[in-house]
Amino acid sequence: AQSVTQLGSHVSVSEGALVLLRCNYSSSVPPYLFWYVQYPNQGLQLLLKYTSAATLVKGINGFEAEFKKSETSFHLTKPSAHMSDAAEYFCAVSDYKLIFGTGTRLQVFP
Amino acid sequence: EAGVVQSPRYKIIEKKQPVAFWCNPISGHNTLYWYLQNLGQGPELLIRYENEEAVDDSQLPKDRFSAERLKGVDSTLKIQPAELGDSAVYLCASSSLGGGYNEQFFGPGTRLTVL
Repeated sequence: AQSVTQLGSHVSVSEGALVLLRCNYSSSVPPYLFWYVQYPNQGLQLLLKYTSAATLVKGINGFEAEFKKSETSFHLTKPSAHMSDAAEYFCAVSDYKLIFGTGTRLQVFP
Repeated sequence: EAGVVQSPRYKIIEKKQPVAFWCNPISGHNTLYWYLQNLGQGPELLIRYENEEAVDDSQLPKDRFSAERLKGVDSTLKIQPAELGDSAVYLCASSSLGGGYNEQFFGPGTRLTVL
């Protein structure tokens, strides 16, 4: 069965600092991997997805993620955090349905 | 283009009462999903439709939950009777195709509180 594990339920960074949100996956077949963001009282919005075309995936709002098969990882990064990035971030693997991790809440301090 | 529409946004009921949630997917999207999101958790699939057909309802508690998508467009999820543990956010999503690589577009969700 496919699954994802997000390390760290809470991450705090200063505005302008590097954002790193960790995700490790488990899959017996080449996975489709996604990062979604959820703002308070809103639905989920796709940040980026990996579908095997390229290992470095660029998404919206300056986020990117790198697929590393040897490490079974798909970590999300952003070089410089902005206050508006404060939200809940979910990593997911797809098997027709999305299988989500437990989420990481990102706080950005001024 | 309008997004996925859900109503109501918030619902408060007493236990043992029935409740229904409505979802209208993005126009032209054949695949519709209902997810359950408990506090502090990621969403979990309840049911997936391809047009009118429920192709995956293995996680739907069928003793109290039911869903329908009669004309292959909008969908209704019902709980009868509701229990305290059903308090959660119910998310609807749609995609143009059902393949695993396709983006799912989510509605804002219905937050259910059972007292």
